[in-house]
Amino acid sequence: EPEVTQTPSHQVTQMGQEVILRCVPISNHLYFYWYRQILGQKVEFLVSFYNNEISEKSEIFDDQFSVERPDGSNFTLKIRSTKLEDSAMYFCASTKRAARQQETQYFGPGTRLLVL
Amino acid sequence: AQSVTQLDSHVSVSEGTPVLLRCNYSSSYSPSLFWYVQHPNKGLQLLLKYTSAATLVKGINGFEAEFKKSETSFHLTKPSAHMSDAAEYFCVVISPGTYKYIFGTGTRLKVLA
Repeated sequence: EPEVTQTPSHQVTQMGQEVILRCVPISNHLYFYWYRQILGQKVEFLVSFYNNEISEKSEIFDDQFSVERPDGSNFTLKIRSTKLEDSAMYFCASTKRAARQQETQYFGPGTRLLVL
Repeated sequence: AQSVTQLDSHVSVSEGTPVLLRCNYSSSYSPSLFWYVQHPNKGLQLLLKYTSAATLVKGINGFEAEFKKSETSFHLTKPSAHMSDAAEYFCVVISPGTYKYIFGTGTRLKVLA
């Protein structure tokens, strides 16, 4: 069964450094998402992406964040200058169609980011 | 605004006994509701989803959930717990016109031998 994959599984970085989290969505999916979960808190929506554009973003997704689909398979989340509060588990997800009613999002296993 | 509340952060059951994980939703519209499960070091896996076709929804691994509009609930149940059910479970709502999932805080299920 096709799966969403994410690399790396764990990332440790120093505050102020740039990180890039990578995701490979399911191959025939067109809509892509990033979520994050700070330890002990809810999973929160960050951004959705379709046709090389951001469809929707949350208030968390400020200028320090960017997303890109650099080729036909990868979908990346870049944090330009990491802060301590960026430490979290980051999940990538994809769907065939827009996440309207009933559409299932398929999630990757997550990347655990630790900012020191 | 749409939201879901998972009433229990931790639930412990003995193997072979019923499982009940509670979720209440708040939505201005007829909601779409999902239950996802996360096993350690794994992604979030869909258990089941409410599509408004039937109020009792059957999912994978023997789980089911009943949509009760009068109680604004979507509780997850299983008649008999198995050790492999130990995981974290998330109730999720999505509203028409948006692209995002809204997650509950999660319920960690522990199954005792």
